[in-house]
Amino acid sequence: GNSVTQMEGPVTLSEEAFLTINCTYTATGYPSLFWYVQYPGEGLQLLLKATKADDKGSNKGFEATYRKETTSFHLEKGSVQVSDSAVYFCALSDTTGANNLFFGTGTRLTVIP
Amino acid sequence: KAGVTQTPRYLIKTRGQQVTLSCSPISGHRSVSWYQQTPGQGLQFLFEYFSETQRNKGNFPGRFSGRQFSNSRSEMNVSTLELGDSALYLCASSNVAGYNEQFFGPGTRLTVL
Repeated sequence: GNSVTQMEGPVTLSEEAFLTINCTYTATGYPSLFWYVQYPGEGLQLLLKATKADDKGSNKGFEATYRKETTSFHLEKGSVQVSDSAVYFCALSDTTGANNLFFGTGTRLTVIP
Repeated sequence: KAGVTQTPRYLIKTRGQQVTLSCSPISGHRSVSWYQQTPGQGLQFLFEYFSETQRNKGNFPGRFSGRQFSNSRSEMNVSTLELGDSALYLCASSNVAGYNEQFFGPGTRLTVL
């Protein structure tokens, strides 16, 4: 089946620190991979995506590379800001043709000044 | 282009009642998916509608149902509410011509007393 294992949080970093949030997946077939971000009191926003092996998704300084050999899609940012404080979700698309996503448990990031 | 809208944003109900939540997708999107988000279970897929037909369903009891109208707007209904149904209900729309990229609304926060 399809599943996502995501690094447990919470994660607390100082401003300008380097961020890594680990995500590994199990899937049959070739899913698309996503990172979503959720700010307090809001829904999910798509942060970045990758649709095939070795693709790198990037947005707002965040990056993640689709690694088929290690079934991973780790999120990284070189220098976090206070405004990056949120919950981050790794997700993969269903590979059976159904249009639904499988989510990790989410990682809460707090960036302190 | 307007985003996904959900109404109401907040609801308080008592056990045994029923509730209907509404979702308007992004213009041109024909697929609408519903997710339940709770602290204990995380984000779980409820069902997906496309062209007024339920295409896929998650592992939820029959008390959870939905429908989609000809203008792609969707409603979900929960009957005989239980305390455990308290959650954030998120609606997402997508253009199925894409890579299952889904755009989420702000959610409806349901509290069951």
